[in-house]
Amino acid sequence: SYVLTQPPSVSVAPGKTARITCGGNNIGSKSVHWYQQKPGQAPVLVIYYDSDRPSGIPERFSGSNSGNTATLTISRVEAGDEADYYCQVWDSSSDLVVFGGGTKLTVL
Amino acid sequence: QVQLQESGPGLVKPSETLSLTCTVSGGSISSYYWSWIRQPAGKGLEWIGRIYTSGSTNYNPSLKSRVTMSVDTSKNQFSLKLSSVTAADTAVYYCAREPVAYYFDYWGQGTLVTVSS
Repeated sequence: SYVLTQPPSVSVAPGKTARITCGGNNIGSKSVHWYQQKPGQAPVLVIYYDSDRPSGIPERFSGSNSGNTATLTISRVEAGDEADYYCQVWDSSSDLVVFGGGTKLTVL
Repeated sequence: QVQLQESGPGLVKPSETLSLTCTVSGGSISSYYWSWIRQPAGKGLEWIGRIYTSGSTNYNPSLKSRVTMSVDTSKNQFSLKLSSVTAADTAVYYCAREPVAYYFDYWGQGTLVTVSS
C-alpha cells in the first residue's frame, strides 16, 4: 500500500519559516491535503489540492507538491502554530485514504 | 456552519460491536461523502471508511471484514459499526465530511471509545 513519510518533529523560532515535508512515491502525481491538530482537538484542514487554502486559514500557510515530496510551508511562525501536522492523499490503486505519520511542530 | 457530533458508548467489551452515530447539523447530509477516522492515543490518523448518501461504501481493507456503515438522510445521520473489537480498537473516533475530492473539510470533535472488560 501507499506510504507517506513525515519527519517526526520540526522546530522553528517565532517569526521564521517552517517547512514540513511529506514523502511518497511519485507523490507529485497525487493531490495532497494537510491538517493541523492541536492537543485534544480534532484536525483542521489547512491546505487542500496541494496548495489551496480553505477560508479562514492565514496566507502564512502554503503548500507545494512535486516529484516525491510535498511540502507545507508556514511563514512568520507564531506560537499558536505549534501543533501536529498530517499530510493525506487518496491512493487510487487501492481506493484508500492514506495519512502520513504526522509531524510535531515546536515553536522555540 | 456545518457541525458534526459523534455519539455512542465510550466503553465496549472485547469481542462485542462498537456502534457510533454522527449527527450533521447546519447543512444537508445529501450529496457528500461521509467518513470515519480514528486515532489511538498518541498515534496518527487511520481512515476507517466512507459512505455516500446513496448508501455506497468504501472501507479500509485492513478493517473491511469488521466494518459496516449506514446513512439515514431523514435524520441527517450516518453510523459506524465495528465488530469483534479488541484493545487495539481503543481510539478517538472522528466523523468527517468529505467533499468530492477525498479530503476532509469538517470534522466532529471526536469521541473516545475504550475496549475493555
